[in-house]
Amino acid sequence: NAGVTQTPKFQVLKTGQSMTLQCAQDMNHEYMSWYRQDPGMGLRLIHYSVGAGITDQGEVPNGYNVSRSTTEDFPLRLLSAAPSQTSVYFCASSYRTMTYNEQFFGPGTRLTVL
Amino acid sequence: RKEVEQDPGPFNVPEGATVAFNCTYSNSASQSFFWYRQDCRKEPKLLMSVYSSGNEDGRFTAQLNRASQYISLLIRDSKLSDSATYLCVVSGGGADGLTFGKGTHLIIQP
Repeated sequence: NAGVTQTPKFQVLKTGQSMTLQCAQDMNHEYMSWYRQDPGMGLRLIHYSVGAGITDQGEVPNGYNVSRSTTEDFPLRLLSAAPSQTSVYFCASSYRTMTYNEQFFGPGTRLTVL
Repeated sequence: RKEVEQDPGPFNVPEGATVAFNCTYSNSASQSFFWYRQDCRKEPKLLMSVYSSGNEDGRFTAQLNRASQYISLLIRDSKLSDSATYLCVVSGGGADGLTFGKGTHLIIQP
């Protein structure tokens, strides 16, 4: 199993550009989520999904969109990149509810917005 | 906002020593507790869950004190490979039910 995979590993954008961060898992997990990690901050939840076709907002959803058309994939879209979105983005999945189950994280995408 | 507080460190500890650090949480309704380990520029990985009765996994021991609302992690006979950031994670407060601490940075010195 590859686990949770993310692409790209690194990305540099200009302010106003849009892009999609890809996330896929091959563990047949119901729950998937996107976090951002900034220096001196804990991981903060952006969006999450409890199954295909179901998504919900996390703590910091503004400027991001998600969709979940399949169990395996959970892409994160930046609509119009801003310097404040410079961060490391982690995708995670878990078998059932994230509250009680181990979360498996992808390797991360390091995004810089100029 | 529900908080999870950790001493950011760094904790500089000689190899072979015992080190312990705590994490306090503000949500008294929290039900589940975890320690994750994060190596530099890598993703977090589950180290251990924390149970009410406390639990041990090899050199690692986790304790929960509900009355004082803190969890602890004890590492015995520390190894160079234990150098990492340790994230305290508590249920409750976040939109998905999880709140992450900012992490404690541990450096094991030869």
